[in-house]
Amino acid sequence: GDSVTQMEGPVTLSEEAFLTINCTYTATGYPSLFWYVQYPGEGLQLLLKATKADDKGSNKGFEATYRKETTSFHLEKGSVQVSDSAVYFCALSDRGSGNTGKLIFGQGTTLQVKP
Amino acid sequence: DTAVSQTPKYLVTQMGNDKSIKCEQNLGHDTMYWYKQDSKKFLKIMFSYNNKELIINETVPNRFSPKSPDKAHLNLHINSLELGDSAVYFCASSQDRSSTNEKLFFGSGTQLSVL
Repeated sequence: GDSVTQMEGPVTLSEEAFLTINCTYTATGYPSLFWYVQYPGEGLQLLLKATKADDKGSNKGFEATYRKETTSFHLEKGSVQVSDSAVYFCALSDRGSGNTGKLIFGQGTTLQVKP
Repeated sequence: DTAVSQTPKYLVTQMGNDKSIKCEQNLGHDTMYWYKQDSKKFLKIMFSYNNKELIINETVPNRFSPKSPDKAHLNLHINSLELGDSAVYFCASSQDRSSTNEKLFFGSGTQLSVL
């Protein structure tokens, strides 16, 4: 079945450092891809998404490009802030489930940014 | 005005008890979900309802029974609680299940601890 794999965390960076969180997927067909963020004590929030190959999603300085050839959707930010400390989830829409809106999530990557 | 609200936020109970978690969304969405997040942050879908109709029922013990009295509510009842049920349970909603680009709106979670 479809699956999402993210890099192991925690990722610890200093403020203003460059961030990359790797995400690769396995899917039949052409899923939509998402990054969700979970701040401490809160539910997940959509950060960005891309719906087809070569699309770039962006929000709040974060970017990710849908790469069909490498089945990847890596999250990047040029300069992280302490407030970016959170758990980041890569996800894909499970089109094989008959358009039920089901999302398949990666295992999450914890980001810690130190001042 | 909380979009997706779930209660209680924390639930501590003994093995063998029966408990319920309630979820309400005021977004006018048609589809609601229950996700389970384990101690390693891994997030997996349990159930989904669309306009009070069950559309996703993953491999979940039948001790778990969702109930949707109307499309704004999706409650989760758990019978005979076991230690392995300890997790954070998230309710979510989306406007329409038919689009795989749909954004999910999550509640802030219910942390269940079974002693």
